Amino acid sequence: SAVISQKPSRDICQRGTSLTIQCQVDSQVTMMFWYRQQPGQSLTLIATANQGSEATYESGFVIDKFPISRPNLTFSTLTVSNMSPEDSSIYLCSVEPGHEAFFGQGTRLTVV
Amino acid sequence: DAKTTQPTSMDCAEGRAANLPCNHSTISGNEYVYWYRQIHSQGPQYIIHGLKNNETNEMASLIITEDRKSSTLILPHATLRDTAVYYCIVSIITGGGNKLTFGTGTQLKVEL
Repeated sequence: SAVISQKPSRDICQRGTSLTIQCQVDSQVTMMFWYRQQPGQSLTLIATANQGSEATYESGFVIDKFPISRPNLTFSTLTVSNMSPEDSSIYLCSVEPGHEAFFGQGTRLTVV
Repeated sequence: DAKTTQPTSMDCAEGRAANLPCNHSTISGNEYVYWYRQIHSQGPQYIIHGLKNNETNEMASLIITEDRKSSTLILPHATLRDTAVYYCIVSIITGGGNKLTFGTGTQLKVEL
């Protein structure tokens, strides 16, 4: 199993600013995944973060907007840059050390 | 990854079995069927997964048809706390983690 801590749990930010979300796992994992869940929608994968290499982004997501760091096997950050109200969503990190994926509780971001 | 189709919503009386269907007609031979659920304002929670045999754990049973083109998640005695969005996902298993493609899911409402 894996326990994931995400910070902050929620934030209200001004448009044009950036927010960095932290994800800490209680065990070493190869891959960490970042998802976005827009209001009333399902989860969409933003990118996969491997330690020691650049993150792999899904179609529609770019590094300039969502830079990701993965300094070690238990930690990752996702930055939402130059925010607009359309970025208001829940952002979740996930790991899958075995057959089962574990998710953090998410960061609820509101951009005003 | 293969696409899945689920009903948008279902209702179930508390104490009765909840049977949630999923169609995955384009599933390939090495893809597993996973079920996750998301209770309001929480991160998704793993329920069960299977390849071709029926599976049971402490939470639920998974019935996969012989041709693997559809499956049913069974919650044998639904409670109010089982009210959630249930996601059926098909994915291969790779070392270190799988990126999951979430569909729209089924909103299950368990009522008295």
